[in-house]
Amino acid sequence: NAGVTQTPKFQVLKTGQSMTLQCAQDMNHEYMSWYRQDPGMGLRLIHYSVGAGITDQGEVPNGYNVSRSTTEDFPLRLLSAAPSQTSVYFCASSYSGSETQYFGPGTRLLVL
Amino acid sequence: GQSLEQPSEVTAVEGAIVQINCTYQTSGFYGLSWYQQHDGGAPTFLSYNGLDGLEETGRFSSFLSRSDSYGYLLLQELQMKDSASYFCAVRGTGGFKTIFGAGTRLFVKA
Repeated sequence: NAGVTQTPKFQVLKTGQSMTLQCAQDMNHEYMSWYRQDPGMGLRLIHYSVGAGITDQGEVPNGYNVSRSTTEDFPLRLLSAAPSQTSVYFCASSYSGSETQYFGPGTRLLVL
Repeated sequence: GQSLEQPSEVTAVEGAIVQINCTYQTSGFYGLSWYQQHDGGAPTFLSYNGLDGLEETGRFSSFLSRSDSYGYLLLQELQMKDSASYFCAVRGTGGFKTIFGAGTRLFVKA
């Protein structure tokens, strides 16, 4: 199993550009989440999904959209990038009822 | 709302024991988890406490007191490779929103 994969590994955007961060898992996990990690602030939940077709907002959802059309994929869309969205983005997945989250390797995003 | 407090950094000597504390405030509570993250890497799950008491996994143990809204991670026989950041995390009732603490940076010295 590949586990949780994320692409790209690194991305530079200009302010106002849009892009999609990809996340996929091959463990048939129901739950998937997106976090951002900034220095000294730990991981903050952006959006999450409890199954295909079901998504909900986390702590910091503004400026981001998600969709979950399949169990495997959970893309994160930045609608109009801002410098404040410069961060490391992690995708995670888990079985329903399990507290163990499996994280992808992360995407480092720089918005100029 | 939900919040977690943990020390920003801890330093210990190789072979020693170190305890990383975590206090939390949540609206509802399922349990307390711990994750390890090395520089440049992804967080990896270490342990989970859903009930009061001690959970042991090899050199790592985790403790929870629900009445005190407090838990800790205990690392024994410290090794240089244990130098990393450690995060406590809670999931409150009513959803799947997992909230992470800001993390404790552990430095292990020779």
